Amino acid sequence: AQTVTQSQPEMSVQEAETVTLSCTYDTSESNYYLFWYKQPPSRQMILVIRQEAYKQQNATENRFSVNFQKAAKSFSLKISDSQLGDTAMYFCAFMKPYKLSFGAGTTVTVRA
Amino acid sequence: NAGVTQTPKFQVLKTGQSMTLQCAQDMNHNSMYWYRQDPGMGLRLIYYSASEGTTDKGEVPNGYNVSRLNKREFSLRLESAAPSQTSVYFCASSEAPGNYGYTFGSGTRLTVV
Repeated sequence: AQTVTQSQPEMSVQEAETVTLSCTYDTSESNYYLFWYKQPPSRQMILVIRQEAYKQQNATENRFSVNFQKAAKSFSLKISDSQLGDTAMYFCAFMKPYKLSFGAGTTVTVRA
Repeated sequence: NAGVTQTPKFQVLKTGQSMTLQCAQDMNHNSMYWYRQDPGMGLRLIYYSASEGTTDKGEVPNGYNVSRLNKREFSLRLESAAPSQTSVYFCASSEAPGNYGYTFGSGTRLTVV
């Protein structure tokens, strides 16, 4: 059964604009970790941002930020000031001890 | 700073052939993982090794075997390849239990014809 759901297969954004990727997950645990990974055409998996469920403050990393809504089990990623190098597939992931479960991914294309 | 190294990067097999995908990490991580990536399905866990000397099945283990050779190396073996095993395979490693995320290798694109 899919633990992590990304409902947007593809998104397109103009350079310098903002795009938000959605992610929902299913768990009965109270303490866990969530991640966003980026996979550019090179195929390399790159960690973008990490959120600890017991922290209410939303994580930020430069132009990347999350909106973590624990009660709604939602974990969206906002990319601000989009750049051409942000073109990639983005995966939301949920951490159980020793196992990282991924969503199906959202392909983001940044247009010049 | 090699991180996680996978070999080979590309491979074509005939149905029924066997092969081993190699993975090595130089970060002194305790845990290692094998995933497969298929279009529309994200990455799915095949097997993992929480620590040296242990291995456990993940979500899609059928048709695969693994060996944790030592702390650095974790190999994935296909005994009798099938077209359904055509995929991109990723090895990853982490400090147990992985709460700071994984470090991934660059992947192996495997085609079974």
